[in-house]
Formats: sequence, C-alpha cells, structure tokens
Amino acid sequence: QVQLQESGPGLVKPSETLSLTCTVSGDSLSSYYWGWIRQPPGKGLEWIGYISYSGNTNYNPSLKSRVTISVDTSKNQYSLKLRSVTAADTAVYYCAREVHRSGYFLWYFDNWGQGTLVTVSS
Amino acid sequence: AIQLTQSPSSLSASVGDRVTITCRASQGISSALAWYQHKPGKAPKLLIYDASTLESGVPSRFSGSGSGTDFTLTISSLQPEDFATYFCQQFDYYPCTFGQGTRLEIK
Repeated sequence: QVQLQESGPGLVKPSETLSLTCTVSGDSLSSYYWGWIRQPPGKGLEWIGYISYSGNTNYNPSLKSRVTISVDTSKNQYSLKLRSVTAADTAVYYCAREVHRSGYFLWYFDNWGQGTLVTVSS
Repeated sequence: AIQLTQSPSSLSASVGDRVTITCRASQGISSALAWYQHKPGKAPKLLIYDASTLESGVPSRFSGSGSGTDFTLTISSLQPEDFATYFCQQFDYYPCTFGQGTRLEIK
C-alpha cells in the first residue's frame, strides 16, 4: 500500500520560498511519476507539476517561473519549492502519485497524501 | 484551460438513496476523466478513471459514465461512509484540471 506524507512549514512570509517535502512509503520513487497539487481556500484544485522516475520535470505554465520539483531517491522523498510567494499561494498542498500510460497524453492520480496547509502571511 | 463544472455544488441525501453527480467539460475530452472522493483531513481517493473504469478495491455501488463533455458519477445505494466531497479531473488537455467539487451531506 503506497502512502504519501507531506511535511514542511505551515507559515511562510510573503516574497519568501515555500518548501515542502513528500515522503513516500510502500513504493520506490524510481518508478512512476510524482506530482504536487494545491487547493486554495474555497477554490478548486490546481496541478502544480511533477517529477518523473528519470528526473524529468513538467510544471503548470501558470506557475512554471516560480516552481522547482526535485527528488532524493536515497530518502524516497521528493520536494517542492515555490519562490516569491504571495497570499494567493495560501493553500492546502498535496503530493500524489501520477499514472502515466502509453497512448495517453496526460495523467490521473492514484495515490494522494492527506495534504498540508501553507499560509502565506507576514 | 479546460473548465470542469460540477453540479450540484452540494447535495443532501439519505442512506440507501441513489445519487448522481454531473461533471461538464468546456470542450470535448473523450473519456479522459477521473472521479475522486475526499473526506476532511484524509487523502483524496481515486474512484474511477477513463470515465467508467472502477479503480481496484472501490465498491461496485460507484459507477461512472459519459464521454465528450458530459459525465456522471452515480452511487447506487448510499452508505454512511460515502458522505464526502467528490471531484472530477480531466486528463485530455494540458494542463490537467479539476472540477470545483460536490459536497454530499447527510439529510
């Protein structure tokens, strides 16, 4: 049974960098694709980006200039960094395993973490 | 980006009821749609993908249908553990996008 758990500061100051880590158990990061999704209060979910088992990354164009996703296979963790945050980046952040299949351009998510609330405020 | 509109946004129902939730896409997305269940403080759970394929381990009272722009999630006989928020996700147009969610409450 794959389990994902987000961790990181719950409060970040405006203009600083939001940093979160997802720890994966029950599976190896050396397979599948691993993504980040967020949900601002009262709004819908937004896909942020993914990192693949080979280290390739893909980011939502709306956030691409501020996002970096990296992986530490020795710890079976992957991380999200979002730079120059504002109040609009306040959200529950989820990590999730992505299912990419041949013949399909995009993906869905078959395992999620429970999410962590990050508030951007001074 | 493709917009997904779910209806209703909230719904009250009783144990044993048959419930249908709709997800409408702003453009045709073939059958590239997934449904998820989300309970407060828990990880979202994949229920259905490819519009109608039940994820392994999901009870058969859940079913999905539709293609193109109109999709439905049906729960044939509500159980107490089904009260949650349900949302859809399209994976045909980049970037993938999600519906706003439907909150299913106990009547």
